[in-house]
Amino acid sequence: EPEVTQTPSHQVTQMGQEVILRCVPISNHLYFYWYRQILGQKVEFLVSFYNNEISEKSEIFDDQFSVERPDGSNFTLKIRSTKLEDSAMYFCASSPLPLTGAEQYFGPGTRLTVT
Amino acid sequence: QKEVEQDPGPLSVPEGAIVSLNCTYSNSAFQYFMWYRQYSRKGPELLMYTYSSGNKEDGRFTAQVDKSSKYISLFIRDSQPSDSATYLCAMSSTGGFKTIFGAGTRLFVKA
Repeated sequence: EPEVTQTPSHQVTQMGQEVILRCVPISNHLYFYWYRQILGQKVEFLVSFYNNEISEKSEIFDDQFSVERPDGSNFTLKIRSTKLEDSAMYFCASSPLPLTGAEQYFGPGTRLTVT
Repeated sequence: QKEVEQDPGPLSVPEGAIVSLNCTYSNSAFQYFMWYRQYSRKGPELLMYTYSSGNKEDGRFTAQVDKSSKYISLFIRDSQPSDSATYLCAMSSTGGFKTIFGAGTRLFVKA
């Protein structure tokens, strides 16, 4: 069964460093998303991506964040200068359905720890 | 007022019980309503989704949407210990580019 994969599973970085989180969405999906979940809190939308451009982003997704689909399979989230409060689980999701947000399939997540 | 409200629980039930999980929302533009299950330190797993009002059934799970009351429910019949997890409601509007999640309800099913 196809699934969304994410690497690394755990990333430890120092404050101020850049990190890149990687995702491989399900191959025939066209809609991609990043979410974060701070420990013990709810899943928060960061950004959606379709047709090689950002479709929508939340207030959390400021200039420190960027997304890219560098080739036909990978989808990345870059945080330029990490802060302590960026420590969270980051989930990638993909969906085959246009214009609904429904049927999103999530990856296992990357746990980011900023020290 | 939060866009999506969900009682965090925890909710503890005996095996075999019928479980009712609920969310309320304030944004009348929401058209798509999803339920996810999340085990500790794992990614959310899609259980089912519905469009607009009505019911949808899948095995032991039934989702209900009442748009007039801005209220959605997930029922689990014949609950099992393996159903113990956090259940997340989520919603999006047509366009579907932004999905809002509830806080999640922690469910414990005791054998």
